[in-house]
Formats: sequence, structure tokens, C-alpha cells
Amino acid sequence: KNQVEQSPQSLIILEGKNCTLQCNYTVSPFSNLRWYKQDTGRGPVSLTIMTFSENTKSNGRYTATLDADTKQSSLHITASQLSDSASYICVVSGKYGNKLVFGAGTILRVKS
Amino acid sequence: DAGITQSPRHKVTETGTPVTLRCHQTENHRYMYWYRQDPGHGLRLIHYSYGVKDTDKGEVSDGYSVSRSKTEDFLLTLESATSSQTSVYFCAISEVQGNTGELFFGEGSRLTVL
Repeated sequence: KNQVEQSPQSLIILEGKNCTLQCNYTVSPFSNLRWYKQDTGRGPVSLTIMTFSENTKSNGRYTATLDADTKQSSLHITASQLSDSASYICVVSGKYGNKLVFGAGTILRVKS
Repeated sequence: DAGITQSPRHKVTETGTPVTLRCHQTENHRYMYWYRQDPGHGLRLIHYSYGVKDTDKGEVSDGYSVSRSKTEDFLLTLESATSSQTSVYFCAISEVQGNTGELFFGEGSRLTVL
């Protein structure tokens, strides 16, 4: 069964600190991997999309990495801000069909 | 922000009543999707549309039906709501097939079935 597992489930960090969120997947064959940010009460918003040939992609203070061999991805947040408090969702796309597999998300809280 | 409007944003209803959620887009994207989001679960696809009057089932389609009579509107109907359908429903759109194209989400519709 195609799965996407995210860790940790939740995380609390101090403003200004860095953090890394993990995503492991079993979707195969693989097309692309996405990270979304979802603020409370809002819809998910795309942060990055990576194909199997890309191993890193940045969007401001967000940097996603991908290891297609080990089927792992991480999202690194640098110099966290209070506005980074949100749920971060890893989504993996299969190569065939209209199939996206969503992880359950990591809830990040940044406190001052 | 992508032009996606969901209505209603919040609804409380009773078991056995019909409910329709509406998704309206101004982007002229071909593909539209309905997802539900529940605690501890990733977003799960209910139904999707790949054109006017062209729809297909997702992984959790039982108890739901959809219609798309215009490019800009995608309706999700619960014929007889049950408590297990209490959830937050998200509409999404994409210009190309979802597994390759950028996916844009609406703000969600929170449905409570008592």
C-alpha cells in the first residue's frame, strides 16, 4: 500500500531556531514530492515540488531535500518565525494516474 | 492566491439531511477535486473532475456524489449526511493532471453532522 509517514507528529521550537521535519514514503513508481504549509483554518499552500531528479529545493527560509533511493525527504526551516506555526504536509505523487498520497502532517509551533 | 471560493464555509446539519458544498474557481483550470481532512489522516480524495460533466471517484467516495455542469463550479453532495461525514472539506484545482501539476486549495468547508 502506498504510504507517506511524517515525523514528528508535533514540534515546539523557540523563535529564531532551526528545525527539520521528516517524510518517508513507499509510493512507487514515484513522480514528485511536495511540501505544503497549512495555517490553522486555511487551505494548504505549496512550498516546494521536487521531481525524482532533484535532491534539494529552496523557497526562502524553507529548504526541502529528497533522497529517492531511500525514499526520504526533509523540510528544513531556518531562523523560524512565529508565522511559521502551522501544519506541514508531505505529499507524494505516483507516476501513473491521478494519484497523490498525503501524509498526516507535522504540527509546528514556534513560540517567543 | 488562486481564485477558489468554497461555500458554505461552516455548516451544522442533522443526520439524514442532504448537504451540498460548492466550489467556484475563476482560474479556468480543467481539473477540480474534493478532499476531506480528518485528524490523524492525510487529505483523502473523494471525487475529482477532469472536465465539464467528466468526473471520477476517489478513495473515499461512498456516500458522496458530485456534479460539474460548468468549468468554474464543482458541487459535492451528501445525499443523506451521517456523523462519519463530519469533516473539513477542501476543494482543489489544477491546470494539468494533479499528480504532475500544481495543486491549489480553497479555504475549506467545515461540516458538522449531529
